[in-house]
Amino acid sequence: EDKVVQSPLSLVVHEGDTVTLNCSYEVTNFRSLLWYKQEKKAPTFLFMLTSSGIEKKSGRLSSILDKKELFSILNITATQTGDSAVYLCAVPNFGNEKLTFGTGTRLTIIP
Amino acid sequence: DAGVIQSPRHEVTEMGQEVTLRCKPISGHDYLFWYRQTMMRGLELLIYFNNNVPIDDSGMPEDRFSAKMPNASFSTLKIQPSEPRDSAVYFCASSPGGYYQETQYFGPGTRLLVL
Repeated sequence: EDKVVQSPLSLVVHEGDTVTLNCSYEVTNFRSLLWYKQEKKAPTFLFMLTSSGIEKKSGRLSSILDKKELFSILNITATQTGDSAVYLCAVPNFGNEKLTFGTGTRLTIIP
Repeated sequence: DAGVIQSPRHEVTEMGQEVTLRCKPISGHDYLFWYRQTMMRGLELLIYFNNNVPIDDSGMPEDRFSAKMPNASFSTLKIQPSEPRDSAVYFCASSPGGYYQETQYFGPGTRLLVL
C-alpha cells in the first residue's frame, strides 16, 4: 500500500523565518509528487514534481524531489502570516488516478 | 474559468435525513473525485469518475453513500440515511487528462453537520 509521511506535523515560526517541510513516500511505480496548500477551505495546488534534482519555484516557495531517497522538501523563505496553512503532500497510486495524501504539516506564522 | 463549484457550502441536518451534495467540475476535465476530510482521518478519497464512469468506489464507507455523474458537468454524492459520524467537509475535485492528469483542482467543499 502506498504511503506518504510528512514532518513535522506542526510548525510555529516567526514572520521572516525560512521553513522546510518534509515529505517521504513509498509508492509502487512512482510517477509524480504533488504539494498542496490548504488554508481554511479547499486544498490549492502548488507544485507537481516528476524529476529528481530539478527545483520548482513560485515566488518564495520552492520544492525539490529526491527519487533516490524517496522524499521531497518544500521551502518557504521570508515567511508571511499569509503562509499559515496546512501543507499537504500527495502521490498518485500506480495504475489509477487516486492520490494518497500525507496527514499534512500545519504551519503557523507568528507576526 | 470558475473552478470547481460545489453546493451547498454548508448543510446542517438531522440524523436519518437524506443529504445530497452537488459538484460541477472544471469544464473539459475528464476526472472527478469526491473526498471527505475530518480531523481524525484527514483527506479520504471516496470515489472517482473518468468520463462520467465510476472507476473506483472502494473508499465509499458503506451502502448509505452513493455517487452519480449523469453528465460531464454534474455529479452528486448522496447519503441516505445520514448519521452524526458523517459530519465532515466533503470536497469535490477535478483533473484534466494528459500529462497533468494527476493535478487535482478542489472545490470549496461542503461542510456537513449531522445532528
